Amino acid sequence: AQSVTQLGSHVSVSEGALVLLRCNYSSSVPPYLFWYVQYPNQGLQLLLKYTSAATLVKGINGFEAEFKKSETSFHLTKPSAHMSDAAEYFCAVMGSYNFNKFYFGSGTKLNVKP
Amino acid sequence: GAGVSQSPSNKVTEKGKDVELRCDPISGHTALYWYRQSLGQGLEFLIYFQGNSAPDKSGLPSDRFSAERTGGSVSTLTIQRTQQEDSAVYLCASSLAFLAPQDEQYFGPGTRLTVT
Repeated sequence: AQSVTQLGSHVSVSEGALVLLRCNYSSSVPPYLFWYVQYPNQGLQLLLKYTSAATLVKGINGFEAEFKKSETSFHLTKPSAHMSDAAEYFCAVMGSYNFNKFYFGSGTKLNVKP
Repeated sequence: GAGVSQSPSNKVTEKGKDVELRCDPISGHTALYWYRQSLGQGLEFLIYFQGNSAPDKSGLPSDRFSAERTGGSVSTLTIQRTQQEDSAVYLCASSLAFLAPQDEQYFGPGTRLTVT
């Protein structure tokens, strides 16, 4: 079965600092990969997705993620954190052998310090 | 409407009762997705529809769960004989097509289900 690992359930950065949220997946076949964001007391929102096109994917709000097959990773980055980026972020993978199911990581809560 | 809507927004039910959750996707969106979010299980994918068809129902937690979509629009998620572990926020999303590279996925506000 597919699995997704998000390293660090809580990440804290200072405003203006680099944001790096880690996601690794288990798969021998390049899957489809996603990052979702959930702002406090708000619904879920798709940040970006990788669907076997360019390995560097740009999303909303200045976020981007790079698919690295050799590392089975899809880390999310943003060059400069903003207070409004404080939220919970979820990485997800669509099954390599079953394109009909998604598997989510356990989430990373990002705190941005002034 | 302009976005994905879900009803009811909150539902409290007694253990053993059946509940029906409704999702109205954005008009013209052919793909519709159901997820649930709970404290114990985190975020889980349940099922997706392409048109009225759900290719894989194995993500539904048990045979007490069923989902259907009619007319390529409204979808209902039905939970029979509810159990306390069914308590969660049930989220619905829709997109123009399934996983089209430039496609955006839009989420509804969710239905908070509490089984007492």
